[in-house]
Parts: sequence; structure tokens; C-alpha cells
Amino acid sequence: EAQVTQNPRYLITVTGKKLTVTCSQNMNHEYMSWYRQDPGLGLRQIYYSMNVEVTDKGDVPEGYKVSRKEKRNFPLILESPSPNQTSLYFCASRGLAGGGEFGPGTRLTVT
Amino acid sequence: ELKVEQNPLFLSMQEGKNYTIYCNYSTTSDRLYWYRQDPGKSLESLFVLLSNGAVKQEGRLMASLDTKARLSTLHITAAVHDLSATYFCGNEKLTFGTGTRLTIIP
Repeated sequence: EAQVTQNPRYLITVTGKKLTVTCSQNMNHEYMSWYRQDPGLGLRQIYYSMNVEVTDKGDVPEGYKVSRKEKRNFPLILESPSPNQTSLYFCASRGLAGGGEFGPGTRLTVT
Repeated sequence: ELKVEQNPLFLSMQEGKNYTIYCNYSTTSDRLYWYRQDPGKSLESLFVLLSNGAVKQEGRLMASLDTKARLSTLHITAAVHDLSATYFCGNEKLTFGTGTRLTIIP
């Protein structure tokens, strides 16, 4: 089944404790992207990647890091999480011609 | 900077009525995506519009793309309650606007 998976789905952590949210797709898609969704603010793009080793900042990259060492994986790293990073996070991927698929979301709470 | 703007942001309409959601984007994009999101769920792909003049229809929803005007529309025909959701449009970099929250009233 073609899909985008994210782990973990739910995470409660404390300020300053480094964490990684994984994103993996099995569709051989070139393009992957991370978003955060907050009430009233729509979907804000954090980082995106056009292909392996090619990443670029989205609208809200501060406080986040990404890497794209393999085509299928695009992890989101929070080196020192803060409460303002409490949010719902989505990963998405798309191929060159087709539509994009979204992961199920990761709900992060930073206390 | 790529910007995607939708209007209206909120739309409450009666069952059976027609309406259109508009999506404007600020720089050239050769494709446009429409997604639907139900409360508490992820986003589901509705349409991919790949060229100027493209029109796609699925049930009561029809999407079109005018790349010269940098405008896409999502038209709802004879709305039914099941169409209540938030609709997002996105450009080729999957940059999205704030979405349109659609509520269909019986």
C-alpha cells in the first residue's frame, strides 16, 4: 500500500530535550515536506526537500532541522524543543507528476 | 516568496446551493493541488491540476486552473452535508494557504 508513515504519532516531552520525528514514504517520491498546523494558521511549511541531499527552508524553519540522506526518509529534528513548538505536524511527499500524499500526523506537546 | 491565498476563509452554506472557493497564488506554478481535511484527520488529495485550463470533476466538486491569472477555483454543486470539511489549495512546492472551512447546513 502506497503510504507516508510518521512516528511517533503522539509525543509529550519537556523543554530542551532533543527529539526526532520520522517520516518515511514507499512511493519513490522525489519531493518531501514538513508542516506544522496550528488553529487558525493553516498549514505552515517548515522545510522541504526536492531530492536526496537537497533541502530548503519553508516559511517557519526556526528551531527545526531536517536531513535527506535517503530518498524514502525525511526526519524532522528539534534540537531544543520549546513550548511554542507544541503543534500538530504533518509530513507529505509527492512524485514528479502525480498528487501528494500526507502522513497521519504527529501531535507534539512540549511542556 | 511563494504565497497562496484562499477566500473565503470560512463558508457556511445551505444544502443544495452552489458555491466557489478561490485560490490565488503569487508566483508562477505549473500545477495546483486541492486537498480536503476532516476534523482530527490528515489531508486527503482531491485534485491535481497540471496545466493551464485544466478542469477536473469528482462528484459535486469541480476544480479548474488558470495559470495566466494565477487562479484556481473549487466549485461545489448542490452541496450536501458530507462535503463539510476544510479545503486547502497548494502550489507545486506544496505551499498552502490557510484553507477554507466549509460548513454545510441542512
